[in-house]
Amino acid sequence: GENVEQHPSTLSVQEGDSAVIKCTYSDSASNYFPWYKQELGKGPQLIIDIRSNVGEKKDQRIAVTLNKTAKHFSLHITETQPEDSAVYFCAASLGGGADGLTFGKGTHLIIQP
Amino acid sequence: EAGVAQSPRYKIIEKRQSVAFWCNPISGHATLYWYQQILGQGPKLLIQFQNNGVVDDSQLPKDRFSAERLKGVDSTLKIQPAKLEDSAVYLCASSQGVVAQFFGPGTRLTVL
Repeated sequence: GENVEQHPSTLSVQEGDSAVIKCTYSDSASNYFPWYKQELGKGPQLIIDIRSNVGEKKDQRIAVTLNKTAKHFSLHITETQPEDSAVYFCAASLGGGADGLTFGKGTHLIIQP
Repeated sequence: EAGVAQSPRYKIIEKRQSVAFWCNPISGHATLYWYQQILGQGPKLLIQFQNNGVVDDSQLPKDRFSAERLKGVDSTLKIQPAKLEDSAVYLCASSQGVVAQFFGPGTRLTVL
């Protein structure tokens, strides 16, 4: 089955700086890659997603890039703010998102004031 | 638009007891998922329903876990009997077609 590796496990950045989280996946048939933000005591919240026919997608301060050849995708957050502090999960699935998701282990992002 | 609803939010039980969780998906979402999230890890898919039929239950420990989705709307997930290693957050998510999955707040289960 699919396996998703996520790095780093913890990332601390100064407020205003950029943060990058990287993931690799094992199944070349995976075609849907969402990113979720999870705050303490809450369920995961979708922040951005990308499908395999697109190399890059941006939404305000958040961007995701996908390299199908290398089987890796990355989340980029620019101009980080205190409210960006949370645990971020990458995931992958077949079926364009209709199938169950395989998640990475998460990255705890800490924004230092 | 109301999100995915789950109850209870917290549950504490003794090992070997049984427990049930309830989920109400976003209105109109045909697909419903149950995930298990152990502390410090990402969610792991337990079971996926399409309307009231099971699409994937390959990772569901069927000797103790069961789930149903009667009438293709609400769903219940049951554990009987519970083990210590079942302590986790149980997340319900729903989606419509190939649109993204949206998660509920989860039920935190502690097995003593």
